[in-house]
Amino acid sequence: EAQVTQNPRYLITVTGKKLTVTCSQNMNHEYMSWYRQDPGLGLRQIYYSMNVEVTDKGDVPEGYKVSRKEKRNFPLILESPSPNQTSLYFCASSSQGAGELFFGEGSRLTVL
Amino acid sequence: AQTVTQSQPEMSVQEAETVTLSCTYDTSENNYYLFWYKQPPSRQMILVIRQEAYKQQNATENRFSVNFQKAAKSFSLKISDSQLGDTAMYFCALRAGSYQLTFGKGTKLSVIP
Repeated sequence: EAQVTQNPRYLITVTGKKLTVTCSQNMNHEYMSWYRQDPGLGLRQIYYSMNVEVTDKGDVPEGYKVSRKEKRNFPLILESPSPNQTSLYFCASSSQGAGELFFGEGSRLTVL
Repeated sequence: AQTVTQSQPEMSVQEAETVTLSCTYDTSENNYYLFWYKQPPSRQMILVIRQEAYKQQNATENRFSVNFQKAAKSFSLKISDSQLGDTAMYFCALRAGSYQLTFGKGTKLSVIP
């Protein structure tokens, strides 16, 4: 089954404790991206990657890091989480030029 | 920069009636895609319909159709014969140029029995 898989789905952590949200896709897509969703703000792009070893900042990159060492994986790293990073996070992927993004099921992160 | 605006934060519709959700956008690109995504309470992002900018014909998927007005940069979604399962957040999105997908802030649709 074609899918984008995120883990963990739910996480409660404390300020300053490093965490990683993993994302993996099995569709051989070149493009991958991370979004955060907050009430009243819609989905905002954090980082995206056009291909392996190619990443770029989206609209709200502060406080986040990403890497793209393999085509299928695109982890999101919060080096020192803060309460304003409490949000719902989505990973998504697509093939180049195809238009449509395929989304993971979302990861609900709470930073205390 | 590209922008997407959804001017209706919330809407409601009676079951079996028709409702139209509005979306306007702005981009300097000639080639782009427009989408409507549905997000039910499960939080899953589900593609409802897509429109390629170069196609003049409005896209249709069963009860869902769009009114794409390229010159006016308008992309509204019409839901016919509304069903309780249509209750969700609906996001309009634009993808152009560098493949960045820009979302509107969403419209919360409630279908009333």
